Amino acid sequence: EVQLVESGGGLVQPGGSLRLSCAASGFTFSRFWMTWVRQAPGRGLEWVANIKQDGSEKYYVDSVRGRFTISRDNAKNSLYLQMNSLGAEDTAVYYCVRDWGSSDTYWGQGTLVTVSS
Amino acid sequence: QSVLTQPPSVSAAPGQRVTISCSGSSSNIGNKYVSWYQQVPGTAPKLLIYDNNKRPSGIPDRFSGSKSGTSATLDITGLQTGDEADYYCGAWDDSLSAGVFGGGTKLTVL
Repeated sequence: EVQLVESGGGLVQPGGSLRLSCAASGFTFSRFWMTWVRQAPGRGLEWVANIKQDGSEKYYVDSVRGRFTISRDNAKNSLYLQMNSLGAEDTAVYYCVRDWGSSDTYWGQGTLVTVSS
Repeated sequence: QSVLTQPPSVSAAPGQRVTISCSGSSSNIGNKYVSWYQQVPGTAPKLLIYDNNKRPSGIPDRFSGSKSGTSATLDITGLQTGDEADYYCGAWDDSLSAGVFGGGTKLTVL
């Protein structure tokens, strides 16, 4: 059974940092592009970043470029999102998504990040 | 302001048909595949349509997708109360080198 389990969310002060993790199981993690998508409370979906199978290509939405870093460890079947210089606008549920937009798309259940003093 | 434009809401009676539009540009929908997602509030989104008009296994054929030029459409026929959810279109955008979503459409089954 495919599973994507996000962790690392929580309350962080403005300007702070947080590292999200996504543990994958039930499939060959190294075969797929992986994506982070977020959803602010009461708002729509926002694509955040993605990473190629071997980590050689990474893309970011403009609003997080330079602050967030996506990475992966295929040996540990894990996806990460390092988030720095967090602001209130980054408050959201963050979803880990396998192969976004394809027939193999699969979403995790999300982890909530709250940026507040 | 989302890159892809969807109507905020649509509604129809059980058994009826509804159409949700998604408008973009040549840098996204015009030259890339469109996918559609269903999200029941409080849960993770679920893939409904990929590659403009293909359904993953397990998605009923009441759901169909199409694309023409820089617009895409999601059709839902034989509406059921369980179809009440938010629906999002998505595509890759070559100009932004990033994925983009529509703002979402809330479907109400009256």
